[in-house]
Amino acid sequence: QVTLKESGPTLVKPTQTLTLTCTFSGFSFSTDEVAVGWVRQPPGKALQWLTIVHWNDDKRYSPSLRSRLTITKDTSGNQVVLTMTNMDPVDTATYYCARGTLEGGFDFWGQGIMLIVSS
Amino acid sequence: QSALTQPASVSGSPGQSITISCTGTSDDVGAYNYVSWYQQHPGKAPKLLIYDVSSRPSGASNRFSGSKSGNTASLTISGLQSEDEGDYYCSSKTTNGDVLFGGGTKLTVL
Repeated sequence: QVTLKESGPTLVKPTQTLTLTCTFSGFSFSTDEVAVGWVRQPPGKALQWLTIVHWNDDKRYSPSLRSRLTITKDTSGNQVVLTMTNMDPVDTATYYCARGTLEGGFDFWGQGIMLIVSS
Repeated sequence: QSALTQPASVSGSPGQSITISCTGTSDDVGAYNYVSWYQQHPGKAPKLLIYDVSSRPSGASNRFSGSKSGNTASLTISGLQSEDEGDYYCSSKTTNGDVLFGGGTKLTVL
């Protein structure tokens, strides 16, 4: 059974750095050719793809946020960490991690974590 | 990179069929057969309905089908049911290896 769960702060201040962790089970970077990505959704708005890391450590970032994002994977711990710098109120959103495929789809999703950026 | 273009809303009556379009460019939708469709209910995470343009994951209803022509992909829902009401998103892999989502379509079952 594949599961993913996001964890981290639910409130950060402007200019701070956000760190979110995705802990997953049911698959492994060391044995499966899979990927884990992050997608966010501001309240009432559309999904926005942020970043993805593949089993071979290939990493891709949204061009508009590339300078602020870092994604890393901890193979032994079945975790993926998203770091986003210089947070702004417009970054207020629900952040999802999801299992990705080489073809760009996401077949399993976490429940999401709602993040508010406010002073 | 701009989001893929979807109609903001569509509606249909129970039992009818509806189609949602997703228009991109030759650098995304038109480049590969790597279009996915997701259903999202309020307060819930998205759920994969279609991948690789027309394939259904295990457990997805066969009332959902996908197709593509040129730079436009389409999702068709047949035999509309009340539980189909929600938001639908397309996505596509791009030639840069990124992923683009559409702006979303709100489906109302009348």
